[in-house]
Amino acid sequence: NAGVTQTPKFRVLKTGQSMTLLCAQDMNHEYMYWYRQDPGMGLRLIHYSVGEGTTAKGEVPDGYNVSRLKKQNFLLGLESAAPSQTSVYFCASSDRTGDNEKLFFGSGTQLSVL
Amino acid sequence: DQQVKQNSPSLSVQEGRISILNCDYTNSMFDYFLWYKKYPAEGPTFLISISSIKDKNEDGRFTVFLNKSAKHLSLHIVPSQPGDSAVYFCAASAPGNKLVFGAGTILRVKS
Repeated sequence: NAGVTQTPKFRVLKTGQSMTLLCAQDMNHEYMYWYRQDPGMGLRLIHYSVGEGTTAKGEVPDGYNVSRLKKQNFLLGLESAAPSQTSVYFCASSDRTGDNEKLFFGSGTQLSVL
Repeated sequence: DQQVKQNSPSLSVQEGRISILNCDYTNSMFDYFLWYKKYPAEGPTFLISISSIKDKNEDGRFTVFLNKSAKHLSLHIVPSQPGDSAVYFCAASAPGNKLVFGAGTILRVKS
């Protein structure tokens, strides 16, 4: 029973490098999200998707791009990594039944940008 | 400007006693509130929620209280157990909007 799976779990980048974080969910959820967690800041929404082929900006979208080509996958890209993007990244999904937004999270990706 | 605030970064409680985690919010449009629990190296997991039409919701050892006039909610854990040691995030949403999370409170339950 996988739920939400994120890869990789850890990554170290140099400033200016690019990378893609992959999120996969097997719960047939319509909604998917990317958050970042920083000390003292809680979880902040980067981008989200309300269905296959759709994406939307969250609270802190700058420096990131996303794609939702398949319903079960949501990719987060960093085109030119910066030290300010050092963080823990969480993917989440929800089925959005009604207005109550209960999210299911992956285990996170620890990213360090040097 | 943080709309959801958890002013206590950490809390330490003796096993068997009550743990009370607090959360304040500023947006009067929030109508649904949730608590998530997070262990190290894992993602947050849903714990309990409450709608603004209620002032209390209980699930086993966990109870959430909502005081709309004070824009305050709290999570009570009774009795506290060592396995409850984790980071607890408060979150809130307004109709048509995404969840807003607090910064989290680290709970340590001492045996």
